[in-house]
Amino acid sequence: KAGVTQTPRYLIKTRGQQVTLSCSPISGHRSVSWYQQTPGQGLQFLFEYFSETQRNKGNFPGRFSGRQFSNSRSEMNVSTLELGDSALYLCASSLSLAGGTSYEQYFGPGTRLTVT
Amino acid sequence: KNEVEQSPQNLTAQEGEFITINCSYSVGISALHWLQQHPGGGIVSLFMLSSGKKKHGRLIATINIQEKHSSLHITASHPRDSAVYICAPRNFGNEKLTFGTGTRLTIIP
Repeated sequence: KAGVTQTPRYLIKTRGQQVTLSCSPISGHRSVSWYQQTPGQGLQFLFEYFSETQRNKGNFPGRFSGRQFSNSRSEMNVSTLELGDSALYLCASSLSLAGGTSYEQYFGPGTRLTVT
Repeated sequence: KNEVEQSPQNLTAQEGEFITINCSYSVGISALHWLQQHPGGGIVSLFMLSSGKKKHGRLIATINIQEKHSSLHITASHPRDSAVYICAPRNFGNEKLTFGTGTRLTIIP
């Protein structure tokens, strides 16, 4: 079974631009979560999508948004990029996080975004 | 006070030593994940546990829900175990993961 894939792997953008990152979950997984990792803040939860609906959201400004498609693939978008958005963005998929039951998460390799 | 406290932050040990990494958290949880991150960024989930103890090869994870504490042990450590280990409790109410700051483990041959 193929693992979680993320594209692109590396990205350089300029302040003020916007960026879209893509995540393809493991086949059969319906939940996709996104995380940001920076040297200063460590890993932080961005949001989680399940069956095309945002089910959970972290404490990030509205410039960070996402969506999930019917095939469970997910995209996240960051608008009006700031220098502080430079980070490793990771997505993880799982079978489900429904009804209080926790499932194993499988992480993708990440997209390293550099904002100049 | 951080919701998740990990100790130690850095650990250097000789090959073969028994390693313990500790994690304390303050919220009610539905489960706790132990993650491993190698240089280059890739994260692997080592364990997900909600009670008791789990073992995979040389790795053992334990959790005490009443004391809000979990430990990750590595027996017969090897240089390939060198990585950052991250504790991530899942909040019982909203199912969000929060993360410890990580323990950087270096095993010297």
